[in-house]
Amino acid sequence: QSVLTQPPSVSAAPGQKVTISCSGSSSNIGSNSVSWYQQVPGTAPKLLIYDNNKRPSGIPDRFSGSKSGTSATLGITGLQTGDEADYYCGTWDISLSPWVFGGGTKLTVL
Amino acid sequence: QAQLVQSGAEVKKPGASVKVSCKASEYRFIAYYIYWVRQAPGQGLEWMGWLNPNSGVTNYAQKFQDRVTMTRDTSINTVYMEVSRLRSDDTAVYYCARAGYGLLHGMDVWGQGTTVTVSS
Repeated sequence: QSVLTQPPSVSAAPGQKVTISCSGSSSNIGSNSVSWYQQVPGTAPKLLIYDNNKRPSGIPDRFSGSKSGTSATLGITGLQTGDEADYYCGTWDISLSPWVFGGGTKLTVL
Repeated sequence: QAQLVQSGAEVKKPGASVKVSCKASEYRFIAYYIYWVRQAPGQGLEWMGWLNPNSGVTNYAQKFQDRVTMTRDTSINTVYMEVSRLRSDDTAVYYCARAGYGLLHGMDVWGQGTTVTVSS
C-alpha cells in the first residue's frame, strides 16, 4: 500500500489529453513539492516534472504538472504511442521514511 | 552529459550480501546527493535511502536501517550500496539516481539499474 495514491491505469487515444492524479496528505504533498517520472518497461525511470510544475531540459511542453492542497496532477497532451509507460509521482514525507512514491499508473494509448 | 553507470547483475543465495556500485561522470560528484531506489518484479518504485557524496552522511528508509550500508569513494566518483542478510524478497532491480535540483526536489539522472536475484 503506497502512501501516495495513483489510479492503476488510464487510457486515451492518440492525440488526446490525459491526466494522472496523485493523492497524498498534509505530511507529504501538502507540505512539499512533487516530482513525476516516466518508466518504459525494462528501462530506468525518467524525470518529467520536478517542483510540482517544472520541466527539466529536453522534456516537451506536452507534459505539465500541477498541485493543489494534498493532491498533484500530471497532464499529457497530444498523446503519442511512445507515451505508453508507467508514471510515478514522488515527494518528501515529513513523518515517514523521507521519500515516498505513488504506486504507479500504467498509461495505455489506444 | 551527466551519467551514472552501475555494476552488473548479481545472483546471490539467501543470507549473503551484495554490493552494487554506481559511478558518476560528467558532473561534480560531491555536489549532488545520490538516492538508491529499488523495484521488485512487477512492482513500483521503493526508496531505500540517500547519501551525501561530500560528507558521506546517509539517511536510510526505516525498513532498511539494519541491512543497508551506503558508502562512497570520492577518488573514483563512485557510490556503493550494500545489502546484507539477503532474502528472496530482495530480488529486484536496484537504481542509483542523482538529486539534481536539491535533496528533496526529485531525481534527474538515473543509473541503468542492477538486477539482483536472490535464490537458493
